[in-house]
Amino acid sequence: DAGVTQSPTHLIKTRGQQVTLRCSPKSGHDTVSWYQQALGQGPQFIFQYYEEEERQRGNFPDRFSGHQFPNYSSELNVNALLLGDSALYLCASSLGPGYGEQFFGPGTRLTVL
Amino acid sequence: DQQVKQNSPSLSVQEGRISILNCDYTNSMFDYFLWYKKYPAEGPTFLISISSIKDKNEDGRFTVFLNKSAKHLSLHIVPSQPGDSAVYFCAARYYDMRFGAGTRLTVKP
Repeated sequence: DAGVTQSPTHLIKTRGQQVTLRCSPKSGHDTVSWYQQALGQGPQFIFQYYEEEERQRGNFPDRFSGHQFPNYSSELNVNALLLGDSALYLCASSLGPGYGEQFFGPGTRLTVL
Repeated sequence: DQQVKQNSPSLSVQEGRISILNCDYTNSMFDYFLWYKKYPAEGPTFLISISSIKDKNEDGRFTVFLNKSAKHLSLHIVPSQPGDSAVYFCAARYYDMRFGAGTRLTVKP
């Protein structure tokens, strides 16, 4: 049983570019949450997707957007990248909306130069 | 707005002894608290949780204590093992999930 998978593992972009990160949830899970973890900090909630809709959103600008597909996989898009967007981006899946037990993927390390 | 704080960035203990990791929070609306463990190059892994209506939850070597009046929770690991060496995150749930900055635990043989 595959757990949560994320791609790519690492990514390097330059300021102003756009990036798309992908997440496949654990088998049987229908809810995906995205988090940003800056160096030395804990994960910070970006948003959660359930039934292909953004259900809740943290304190992130509109440059951060997402999508959930019918197979429950999800994408995180960041436009107009800033140096401060450099971080580890974590995807977590769960069964049902809310914040029951979440299973995290290994993350995508984004570096903005 | 850091509503969940882990004030100790690191903790070192001897194998077999007790590890105590602490977490403080400011939002009294949090209704559920969790501890996650994170190894390098892996995502956080759920360890143990506690509802705000309880003051203690135990799972094997791991026990979480919640003191609502002090807005404080702690994770006790007894006995500590070298494989417990990892970064531990405290998290709290209300509208969304808020994480502390983590405490790096090192268990020395």
